[in-house]
Amino acid sequence: DVKVTQSSRYLVKRTGEKVFLECVQDMDHENMFWYRQDPGLGLRLIYFSYDVKMKEKGDIPEGYSVSREKKERFSLILESASTNQTSMYLCASSPGTGDYNEQFFGPGTRLTVL
Amino acid sequence: GQNIDQPTEMTATEGAIVQINCTYQTSGFNGLFWYQQHAGEAPTFLSYNVLDGLEEKGRFSSFLSRSKGYSYLLLKELQMKDSASYLCAVTDSNYQLIWGAGTKLIIKP
Repeated sequence: DVKVTQSSRYLVKRTGEKVFLECVQDMDHENMFWYRQDPGLGLRLIYFSYDVKMKEKGDIPEGYSVSREKKERFSLILESASTNQTSMYLCASSPGTGDYNEQFFGPGTRLTVL
Repeated sequence: GQNIDQPTEMTATEGAIVQINCTYQTSGFNGLFWYQQHAGEAPTFLSYNVLDGLEEKGRFSSFLSRSKGYSYLLLKELQMKDSASYLCAVTDSNYQLIWGAGTKLIIKP
C-alpha cells in the first residue's frame, strides 16, 4: 500500500523560529513535492525534487528551502517563520517522468505561526 | 499563462446527480486528473483522462474534450460522504501538474 507520511499533523511555532517539516515516502518514487494550501487559492507548489540532492523552485519558493539527502525523504525548511506562512502544508510523491504522473499525498501538516 | 477554472462551490441533494466542470488553458497537455479532498485531509486520486471521451468508475465518471480544453466530473446517486472539494489538475508539456483551486461540493439531505 502506497504511503507518504509527514512528521506532524499540527504544529504551532513563533515568528522567527526555524521550522522543519519532514516527509517520507515508501514507494521508491523519483519525484517529491511540497505544496501549501490556503482557502480559495488551491494547491500552490513551493519546491519539488526529481532526484536525490536535486531541487527546483515552484511557484512560491520565497521564505522556504528544501533538502533531499535520501530518495525517500524530502524536508521543507522555513528559515524564519512568519505569520503569513500559517497554512496547510502537503507533501506528495510521484513515479518517474512520463505521461502518467499521479501524485500521492501525505496527510498534511497544519502549521500555525504566532 | 497557465489557467484552470472550476466553480468555487456547488450544492446538490442526496441521491441526485451533479456535474463539476473544469476548463483549462495550459502549455501543452499530457493528461487530466480529478482528486477528492475531504475537509482537513489530503487529496486522493479519483480519475485520469488522457484521451477524449468518458471514463466510468462506479458512481463517478470523468469526461474529457481536448479540443475544447474541457473536462467534467459526474457524480451519481450522491451520498452525504461525497461532501468534499474536487480538484482538477492538468499535466502540461513539461509534465508538471497544474492545479485548479477546487470545487467545494455541499450535499444536502
